[in-house]
Amino acid sequence: NAGVTQTPKFRVLKTGQSMTLLCAQDMNHEYMYWYRQDPGMGLRLIHYSVGEGTTAKGEVPDGYNVSRLKKQNFLLGLESAAPSQTSVYFCASSDYNNQPQHFGDGTRLSIL
Amino acid sequence: AQSVTQPDIHITVSEGASLELRCNYSYGATPYLFWYVQSPGQGLQLLLKYFSGDTLVQGIKGFEAEFKRSQSSFNLRKPSVHWSDAAEYFCAVVLTGGFKTIFGAGTRLFVKA
Repeated sequence: NAGVTQTPKFRVLKTGQSMTLLCAQDMNHEYMYWYRQDPGMGLRLIHYSVGEGTTAKGEVPDGYNVSRLKKQNFLLGLESAAPSQTSVYFCASSDYNNQPQHFGDGTRLSIL
Repeated sequence: AQSVTQPDIHITVSEGASLELRCNYSYGATPYLFWYVQSPGQGLQLLLKYFSGDTLVQGIKGFEAEFKRSQSSFNLRKPSVHWSDAAEYFCAVVLTGGFKTIFGAGTRLFVKA
């Protein structure tokens, strides 16, 4: 029972490089979310999706783009990585907005 | 501004002692309330949730939480802590009709033998 799977688990980038983080869920959830976690700041919402083909901005969307072409996948892109984007990124999904979220194990991203 | 506050950045308790982690929120209406736990290197796992009804809710791993409307609080408790409870704990709220979950900054629990 995989739940929410994030790839990759670790990545080091140089400033200005681009990359895509992949999130896949096998629970047929409508809602999917991308968060970043920084020390002392809890989780901050980057973007979210309320269904296939939809995306919306969260609390800290600048510098990130997302796509939800398939219901089970939610991609997070960094077009031009900056050191301020060094963080741990978590994907989550839920079957409705007020239901508990199921989290992946995170992607630790370092930007040099 | 709407917010979720966990006043304690970290707490240390002895194994077998009781535990209470505090959470306060600042919203006009009663939101949906959650507690999650995060072990090192892992994502968050739901401990318990409150939507309505009985203000004392039971969760997994022996945890419980009590919603107090008058204090805008949703404190997490456990009568006897085990070493395996060492982790970071997050309180979270979702506004009724809202799409976003707001997380507190977290409380890291250390358990000493």
